[in-house]
Amino acid sequence: TQLLEQSPQFLSIQEGENLTVYCNSSSVFSSLQWYRQEPGEGPVLLVTVVTGGEVKKLKRLTFQFGDARKDSSLHITAAQPGDTGLYLCAGPDTGRRALTFGSGTRLQVQP
Amino acid sequence: EPEVTQTPSHQVTQMGQEVILRCVPISNHLYFYWYRQILGQKVEFLVSFYNNEISEKSEIFDDQFSVERPDGSNFTLKIRSTKLEDSAMYFCASSPGAGYANGYTFGSGTRLTVV
Repeated sequence: TQLLEQSPQFLSIQEGENLTVYCNSSSVFSSLQWYRQEPGEGPVLLVTVVTGGEVKKLKRLTFQFGDARKDSSLHITAAQPGDTGLYLCAGPDTGRRALTFGSGTRLQVQP
Repeated sequence: EPEVTQTPSHQVTQMGQEVILRCVPISNHLYFYWYRQILGQKVEFLVSFYNNEISEKSEIFDDQFSVERPDGSNFTLKIRSTKLEDSAMYFCASSPGAGYANGYTFGSGTRLTVV
């Protein structure tokens, strides 16, 4: 099983600040997905990145897939309290449909 | 927006009992999955199901577990003879096809507590 390491594990910031969270692996992934999970709920898909070097934007969220397809980052501009949650990256093991999940970054945005 | 529905939201069961967790995937999706998340741990893959058969399973998915799509809409996970360590959130998910462009849609989960 390919491993995904996420950092930081916890992040507490003030409203309006910018932040970046990271998802790293020693293995190549054909694609990576980012999810947000609220307490007691299932993960909700934010984006899928497929091509090395790809950048996708979702309002104030910018996702980047590393050139070698071993890492990804999520940058949030001007964070808001509504961005609070657990951010998970996930990718399929080589040749499989099963997703491997990272352990997540728990973000808290203080008003 | 289409969603994956899971029932029950909470289930408490005695150790050794059998439980059935139920899911209604999105109607035009072809692939179905069960994942679990033990409190404070990573989301872990259990099994995937396509064309009325298991297509992949993890080492967690042993003979204690089984899945079924009994009527073309429901997708169930049965856990026989539950153990304390089976306590977790169980998530059902579905995806439309073979590609990852649209990703998965997860349900809200069933919290299983084995006492």
